[in-house]
Amino acid sequence: GGIITQTPKFLIGQEGQKLTLKCQQNFNHDTMYWYRQDSGKGLRLIYYSITENDLQKGDLSEGYDASREKKSSFSLTVTSAQKNEMAVFLCASSRTGDAEQFFGPGTRLTVL
Amino acid sequence: GQQVQQSPASLVLQEGENAELQCNFSSTATRLQWFYQRPGGSLVSLLYNPSGTKHTGRLTSTTVTKERRSSLHISSSQTTDSGTYFCAMEPAGGYKVVFGSGTRLLVSP
Repeated sequence: GGIITQTPKFLIGQEGQKLTLKCQQNFNHDTMYWYRQDSGKGLRLIYYSITENDLQKGDLSEGYDASREKKSSFSLTVTSAQKNEMAVFLCASSRTGDAEQFFGPGTRLTVL
Repeated sequence: GQQVQQSPASLVLQEGENAELQCNFSSTATRLQWFYQRPGGSLVSLLYNPSGTKHTGRLTSTTVTKERRSSLHISSSQTTDSGTYFCAMEPAGGYKVVFGSGTRLLVSP
């Protein structure tokens, strides 16, 4: 077994601010993902990474940067926070690209 | 783009009734997974089922790859089953997992 941790749990920022969300997994999984979930909606893929130092854009990558510093960690940066960005950001990992995904508890972003 | 349609959008049951949730997708899937989410909670993996039939507890998933559909059957529903159920698929040839909009289930006592 393993666990995915996301920090912080709650993030409050000002409009225009650069904000960073972090994700760590101890499954030793190769692939990691960042999703955004707006209230009452499904998940949309922002970025994914198939191995350390790899980055691939999802459907919602504009306005975000990501960094896969090492196999176990994957960071997401909101480059300039906007009020319509308030959402829950979920990190996930999987052993390979076609294996079962596991999710972290999420970071709830509020932009003032 | 890739589409995942879930039906029904919402479902209200009495405790003890069975639920049948459907997921249809627009292209061949190499990965198909069902998730559960409580309001304000994270996603919990229920079943990973890219093809065939799988069971766990009161849950049964059947995926018919050729017909591009999957179903999740919940037997003898309980109030604690209330929440949103998501279907997620990965199209052949890519890592870009696509999620449906979810089915909101409410089980009343």
